[in-house]
Amino acid sequence: EAQVTQNPRYLITVTGKKLTVTCSQNMNHEYMSWYRQDPGLGLRQIYYSMNVEVTDKGDVPEGYKVSRKEKRNFPLILESPSPNQTSLYFCASSSRRTGAWAEAFFGQGTRLTVV
Amino acid sequence: AQSVTQLDSHVSVSEGTPVLLRCNYSSSYSPSLFWYVQHPNKGLQLLLKYTSAATLVKGINGFEAEFKKSETSFHLTKPSAHMSDAAEYFCVVSDSGAGSYQLTFGKGTKLSVIP
Repeated sequence: EAQVTQNPRYLITVTGKKLTVTCSQNMNHEYMSWYRQDPGLGLRQIYYSMNVEVTDKGDVPEGYKVSRKEKRNFPLILESPSPNQTSLYFCASSSRRTGAWAEAFFGQGTRLTVV
Repeated sequence: AQSVTQLDSHVSVSEGTPVLLRCNYSSSYSPSLFWYVQHPNKGLQLLLKYTSAATLVKGINGFEAEFKKSETSFHLTKPSAHMSDAAEYFCVVSDSGAGSYQLTFGKGTKLSVIP
């Protein structure tokens, strides 16, 4: 089954304790990205990757890191989480076909609480 | 640069009546446009997409949307609302000709369906 898998689904952590949220897709997609969703703000892009070893900042990259060492994986790293990073996070992947980008496939989300 | 404006943050309809969720976009290139739905505590599911083929796009669950370039609009409609349609809906734009690929989300429209 084609899917994007995020782990963990729920996470409560303390300020300053490094954490990683994993994301993996099995569709051989070139493009992967991370979003955070906050009430009234929709989804905002944190980082994206056009392919292996190619990453770039989205709209709200401060406080986050990513890496793309393999095509299928795109982990999100919070080196020193703060309470303002409490949010719902989504990973997505997509592929370019026939000159236009196809729709993005989303993971189920990770609800992160930083206390 | 691209942007999306969802004109209503909340829409309330009675079951069996038509649904209209409004979306305006701006894009520097030929846009791809999407509508996603998010049910409470769930991930995002693609409803429909426009990628420069037919301007009237049919999606799942009886939804459709019409791409109007002159009005830069991509409104989502359904002839008859069902209780299961109660969810949050996101209009999304991507620039397919820019060389890079970034999805930009609207802030969302919460649809309530009254029995």
